[in-house]
Amino acid sequence: EVQLLESGGGLEQPGGSLRLSCAASGFIFSSYAMSWVRQAPGKGLEWVSIISGSGSSTYYADSVKGRFTISRDNSKNTLYVQMNSLRAEDTAVYYCAKSHTVGATYNYFDYWGQGTLVTVSS
Amino acid sequence: DIQMTQSPSSLSASVGDRVTITCRASQGISNSLAWYQQKPGKAPKLLLYAASRLESGVPSRFSGSGSGTDYTLTISSLQPEDFATYYCQQYYSTPPTFGQGTKLEIK
Repeated sequence: EVQLLESGGGLEQPGGSLRLSCAASGFIFSSYAMSWVRQAPGKGLEWVSIISGSGSSTYYADSVKGRFTISRDNSKNTLYVQMNSLRAEDTAVYYCAKSHTVGATYNYFDYWGQGTLVTVSS
Repeated sequence: DIQMTQSPSSLSASVGDRVTITCRASQGISNSLAWYQQKPGKAPKLLLYAASRLESGVPSRFSGSGSGTDYTLTISSLQPEDFATYYCQQYYSTPPTFGQGTKLEIK
């Protein structure tokens, strides 16, 4: 059974940093690209970033480019996102999502974690 | 970026009704479209991919169709557990983009 468990969310001040983690199990982690998708309170889904199965390719939404860094440790079956220079508009539930394929392009998401809430406020 | 526009934004229907949700892309996406269901406080769940292919375990009352820029999700006979918000997502190009969602409510 595929399981994705996010952690690391919480309250952070504007300009601060947080690192989210997503522990994966139930599938061969290195064989699939992984994404972060966020959802602001009461709003729709916004794709944030994706990393290929090997970790060699990454893409970012324009809204987070230069501030967020996605990474993965295939030996630990764990996905990360380092979020710097946080803004109020980054407040959202952050989901990790498994892609249906290993590459970082042309992806839909077949499994999602339960999400972790990030609140950016002073 | 490819913009995805869903209609309607909200919809009231009754158990047993047939409902259709539409998703329009700002350019052709060659059937690279997925549909998700999200219930309050829960993660999205994949329903269909490649516009019309049913994900394993999803009831057959869900179906998808379309081509080019216009796609539809149809629920043939609404069940109580189907009342949720539905999102389309294109994966024809990066960044992948979602529609704004369609909230399906009980009439």
